[in-house]
Amino acid sequence: DAKTTQPNSMESNEEEPVHLPCNHSTISGTDYIHWYRQLPSQGPEYVIHGLTSNVNNRMASLAIAEDRKSSTLILHRATLRDAAVYYCILRDPGNQFYFGTGTSLTVIP
Amino acid sequence: DVKVTQSSRYLVKRTGEKVFLECVQDMDHENMFWYRQDPGLGLRLIYFSYDVKMKEKGDIPEGYSVSREKKERFSLILESASTNQTSMYLCATFTWKAGPEEGRSGANVLTFGAGSRLTVL
Repeated sequence: DAKTTQPNSMESNEEEPVHLPCNHSTISGTDYIHWYRQLPSQGPEYVIHGLTSNVNNRMASLAIAEDRKSSTLILHRATLRDAAVYYCILRDPGNQFYFGTGTSLTVIP
Repeated sequence: DVKVTQSSRYLVKRTGEKVFLECVQDMDHENMFWYRQDPGLGLRLIYFSYDVKMKEKGDIPEGYSVSREKKERFSLILESASTNQTSMYLCATFTWKAGPEEGRSGANVLTFGAGSRLTVL
């Protein structure tokens, strides 16, 4: 069973904000929410993680629903270099990561 | 920053050949992982290792084995390659990330290599 559900693809205009949604309705209280992205011809790279509260770093913001059953990755101003596949992942206390199929983001100039 | 190096970016092998995929990390981390990535299936864990000479099966270990003789090196072995093992193979290790804001707890995150694309004919 998939632990996270994401749209297959999304589009955004350059320099506009992007909100990438993720549903994780079976999340347990100790699972962390991680986001990674994969640029073409590269391995996935870490973007951000959180547990309960919204978080921010230099790459993005993560908004976590109060019931933790969904989250949203926010890119504040999309650039062409942000075109990638974005993965929303749950990490359990045993450090197991469960990858879904991700959202392919296209950024339109 | 942690560097994870996969020795071969592209390989073409024939059915029945023995294939070695090498992965080296430069930060003396205990934990290392091998995933395969296929269209429509995402990333699936093949094997992982928490220490030298230690290995654990992931979700899809069939047809694969691993070797961890030194902490920095984790090798994935296909004893007899088959066409259904044509895939992108990704090696990863753990990196500790501090919390994104002061006072927030950090977590182990995965740092991946660039991947090895294997084609079995």
